[in-house]
Amino acid sequence: DQQVKQNSPSLSVQEGRISILNCDYTNSMFDYFLWYKKYPAEGPTFLISISSIKDKNEDGRFTVFLNKSAKHLSLHIVPSQPGDSAVYFCAAKGAGTASKLTFGTGTRLQVTL
Amino acid sequence: NAGVMQNPRHLVRRRGQEARLRCSPMKGHSHVYWYRQLPEEGLKFMVYLQKENIIDESGMPKERFSAEFPKEGPSILRIQQVVRGDSAAYFCASSPGSSGTYNEQFFGPGTRLTVL
Repeated sequence: DQQVKQNSPSLSVQEGRISILNCDYTNSMFDYFLWYKKYPAEGPTFLISISSIKDKNEDGRFTVFLNKSAKHLSLHIVPSQPGDSAVYFCAAKGAGTASKLTFGTGTRLQVTL
Repeated sequence: NAGVMQNPRHLVRRRGQEARLRCSPMKGHSHVYWYRQLPEEGLKFMVYLQKENIIDESGMPKERFSAEFPKEGPSILRIQQVVRGDSAAYFCASSPGSSGTYNEQFFGPGTRLTVL
């Protein structure tokens, strides 16, 4: 049972344009959501997160939107840069001070010149 | 300002041998998590430990796998009698304990285990 889903395995965007990566979840007990970026042969790097009590969080070029009623979140990157090319993982965490992350299968973003 | 450290980065074992993967959390972090990533898949939770305690091992296979986080030294993920299906990237993450941000986990570079 895949509780966190990233239905687009890949996405190609032109440099300077907006990249939108989507993520859906099924478990209503998730209360915190995170996005990680991963380059080949490296560990995931934390990018941005959002609590379930918010619907938007922004950090520089990265904005995460959360729609709790639809159990959907998205990551917007604007403007996209070639260095953003990587695999992006959506992750969710249940309530509690520290608990496991449930990851989606990832979306490979390619930013072209 | 060292991040999460894992060693070895690459490990090759023959079927039936033992694999030991080490993880040193970020300074000041007392929560350690192990995840496994099979080829073309996302990361799957295995085990969550605090110093000298296993908090959640719901993702760990019941046999051949064990984990510890002793009072002194790194966390160890141990796989006995490895099989080809154990070939994967194993990632360790850490987060702060009693203070600071609880929600973000910071990952190490991973250990890539290949079983021949």
